[in-house]
Amino acid sequence: DVKVTQSSRYLVKRTGEKVFLECVQDMDHENMFWYRQDPGLGLRLIYFSYDVKMKEKGDIPEGYSVSREKKERFSLILESASTNQTSMYLCASSFGGRVYQPQHFGDGTRLSIL
Amino acid sequence: DQQVKQNSPSLSVQEGRISILNCDYTNSMFDYFLWYKKYPAEGPTFLISISSIKDKNEDGRFTVFLNKSAKHLSLHIVPSQPGDSAVYFCAFIGGSQGNLIFGKGTKLSVKP
Repeated sequence: DVKVTQSSRYLVKRTGEKVFLECVQDMDHENMFWYRQDPGLGLRLIYFSYDVKMKEKGDIPEGYSVSREKKERFSLILESASTNQTSMYLCASSFGGRVYQPQHFGDGTRLSIL
Repeated sequence: DQQVKQNSPSLSVQEGRISILNCDYTNSMFDYFLWYKKYPAEGPTFLISISSIKDKNEDGRFTVFLNKSAKHLSLHIVPSQPGDSAVYFCAFIGGSQGNLIFGKGTKLSVKP
């Protein structure tokens, strides 16, 4: 079974702090993704990466950055946290290549910015 | 502009009956479609998919139908069970690297 592990289930931080959300997958997947889920808005893509040290902006990258130094690990960084970044954050991974592959998700990190 | 629309935010169905979840899309270039199920406090789990060369795919109690001319996707669950109560998202491959575009979700409640 694919395992996507997010380092924290719940996190509380203060406005202006630098926040790191970590995600690790154990299936040697090429692609990794970060989404946020908000009520009434569904899942929105923040950033994704299709290889080590590669990154692409998703639909809502503002206020975020990412890091992918190793294939299995994809980090989401909130440079200076703001209250409108309070949300559920979901990491996902999938195989790359030409055949479409479903994404496998972690259980999410519920982040509250006070 | 929303490329993917799930127009029903919620659906309530009696146990044993059919649940029909609907999804409309605007981009005719989409060629791979998926349904995910999400329980509270868990990440979405992949349920079933269909490629544009098919109009139906079945997996046990779950069947996905694709109507390309109408740009419409639906998920049928028969018979519905209380454990099916969750939020269901339709999704489409939106980019060459496999990034998904999700609908806003439909919350299904199956009552015993």
